[in-house]
Amino acid sequence: QVQLVQSGAEVKKPGASVKVSCKASGYTFTSYDINWVRQATGQGLEWMGYMNPNSGNTGFAQKFQGRVTMTRDTSTNTAYLELSSLRSEDTAVYYCVRDYTRLDFWGQGTLVTVSS
Amino acid sequence: DIQMTQSPSSLSASVGDRVTITCRASQSISKYLNWFQQKPGKPPKLLIYTTSNLQSGVPSRFSGRGSGTDFTLTISSLQPEDFATYFCQQSYNSPLTFGHGTKVEIK
Repeated sequence: QVQLVQSGAEVKKPGASVKVSCKASGYTFTSYDINWVRQATGQGLEWMGYMNPNSGNTGFAQKFQGRVTMTRDTSTNTAYLELSSLRSEDTAVYYCVRDYTRLDFWGQGTLVTVSS
Repeated sequence: DIQMTQSPSSLSASVGDRVTITCRASQSISKYLNWFQQKPGKPPKLLIYTTSNLQSGVPSRFSGRGSGTDFTLTISSLQPEDFATYFCQQSYNSPLTFGHGTKVEIK
């Protein structure tokens, strides 16, 4: 069965960077895009961008341009999200999500807390 | 960016009720509209993709319709496990955008 398993919760200080991992199993990793979506507590869903694991090509929401990096390791079927220059407004649960068109399978989420 | 507007933002209903949630896009998105269900502390779950296609394993009491800018999600007979928040989302172009959600509560 398709599974996306994310790394554990993180606490970071303002200005720092965070890197979240997402390990895929149960399907061919390079056949589907990986998206990243975040959700602040009690808030809606915000799409950050996507990565094509086959080519490594990425596309980001303009809001995150310059602060976000999405990479992958095809030897371990793992995708990574790195967000830099963190501020308190980045406190949220971050989800990796398969497939750009359907967003059909979601990781369990990683809570990133930004606090001094 | 395409804005997605859901209505109502919340509703109260009883088990067995027919429930309809509306989603409107700020411009035409053809058929590229998905619906998700989210329960507290869990990730969203895909219910319906490209307007009316039921995701595998989703009960047939869920249905979707629409095109262009106006879309609906209908639950034909509300079950206890359906009390949750529902989001629409467009995949017509980047950036992908979501509605603000409709919370379905027990009356």
